[in-house]
Amino acid sequence: EAQVTQNPRYLITVTGKKLTVTCSQNMNHEYMSWYRQDPGLGLRQIYYSMNVEVTDKGDVPEGYKVSRKEKRNFPLILESPSPNQTSLYFCASSLHRQSNSPLHFGNGTRLTVT
Amino acid sequence: GEDVEQSLFLSVREGDSSVINCTYTDSSSTYLYWYKQEPGAGLQLLTYIFSNMDMKQDQRLTVLLNKKDKHLSLRIADTQTGDSAIYFCAETTGGGNNNDMRFGAGTRLTVKP
Repeated sequence: EAQVTQNPRYLITVTGKKLTVTCSQNMNHEYMSWYRQDPGLGLRQIYYSMNVEVTDKGDVPEGYKVSRKEKRNFPLILESPSPNQTSLYFCASSLHRQSNSPLHFGNGTRLTVT
Repeated sequence: GEDVEQSLFLSVREGDSSVINCTYTDSSSTYLYWYKQEPGAGLQLLTYIFSNMDMKQDQRLTVLLNKKDKHLSLRIADTQTGDSAIYFCAETTGGGNNNDMRFGAGTRLTVKP
């Protein structure tokens, strides 16, 4: 089944403790992206990747890192999480970057930083 | 930056039509999308429309685009309780070569039996 898989689904951590949220897609998609969803703000893009070893900042990249060593994986790294990073995170992928290529979303990771 | 705006809540009775509205500001938008988010799940693409179209119909869904007013709407005919979800309007910017979408805040549709 074609899908975008994120792990974990839920994560509670403390300020400053490094964490990684994994994202994997099995559709051979070139384009991958991370969003955060906050009430009243919709989805805001954190980072995106056009292909292997090519990443770029989205609208809200501060406090996050990503890597794209393989086509299928696009982990989101929080080196020193803070409470304002408490949010619902979504990974998404599409075949390529052109805008007629719909995004496929994972089921989300709900992160709480205390 | 460019904004995509939606009202946050809509409540309808089962069997009625629902109309969810969206306005955007980027005149270079090429594709406009409607996504549905059910509780505990990611966003699922419902439909999309290219900016040179006025209307697109897909079964119970009708998308209307008024490019002059930068207004997009999603009409759901014969709304069912299973349609209760959050609906996101989104646009792509960058003239067609960019899939970096901008999303609205989402409209929570509640369907009452």
